[in-house]
Amino acid sequence: DSGVTQTPKHLITATGQRVTLRCSPRSGDLSVYWYQQSLDQGLQFLIQYYNGEERAKGNILERFSAQQFPDLHSELNLSSLELGDSALYFCASSVSPQGGDTQYFGPGTRLTVL
Amino acid sequence: GENVEQHPSTLSVQEGDSAVIKCTYSDSASNYFPWYKQELGKGPQLIIDIRSNVGEKKDQRIAVTLNKTAKHFSLHITETQPEDSAVYFCAPQRPAGGTSYGKLTFGQGTILTVHP
Repeated sequence: DSGVTQTPKHLITATGQRVTLRCSPRSGDLSVYWYQQSLDQGLQFLIQYYNGEERAKGNILERFSAQQFPDLHSELNLSSLELGDSALYFCASSVSPQGGDTQYFGPGTRLTVL
Repeated sequence: GENVEQHPSTLSVQEGDSAVIKCTYSDSASNYFPWYKQELGKGPQLIIDIRSNVGEKKDQRIAVTLNKTAKHFSLHITETQPEDSAVYFCAPQRPAGGTSYGKLTFGQGTILTVHP
């Protein structure tokens, strides 16, 4: 158990809908990262937050957004969903705001868009 | 950006054999080299890592070796067991700070199957 929790575990929705994925980092970790894992793209970095502020952006679509709250949990919002958004979404956390340290991954949320 | 390649993409061994997975990277500024194991239905979990000031690190049956000149590092698993079956990812990383922050660039993964 990494100490990172994600909810829900599974999510099934329709095209055009909006969903919110939730992540709670390990106790003491201030950085939260979101990754998308699909069969054809592998594991792709989406975005990083540190102590409530956005720190780095990766291959995140404009239809996706994220935020980190004062209690350090983070939410990833996916809107106008398309079939191609079906994937596993992982959250990871670490201590450092600037990278170079170990990231601990949650169990993931499996999103299926029908 | 960082270009990361893993080989082989699949590896099948008999229980008790050794397994070696190689990761080649392009960014010479990388100085942190972790390996992650992902079991079915779970998130990636760190199994071993090495920093650029050492060439080899061992933890029981698992070891990582680093060749910074050639820009590759390898995962070595000895005396493999069926529970080692999983997907393994490398994710070389730049030092703290700079514009890359904590972004991990993963290799495409190696599916390891250990047959009893």
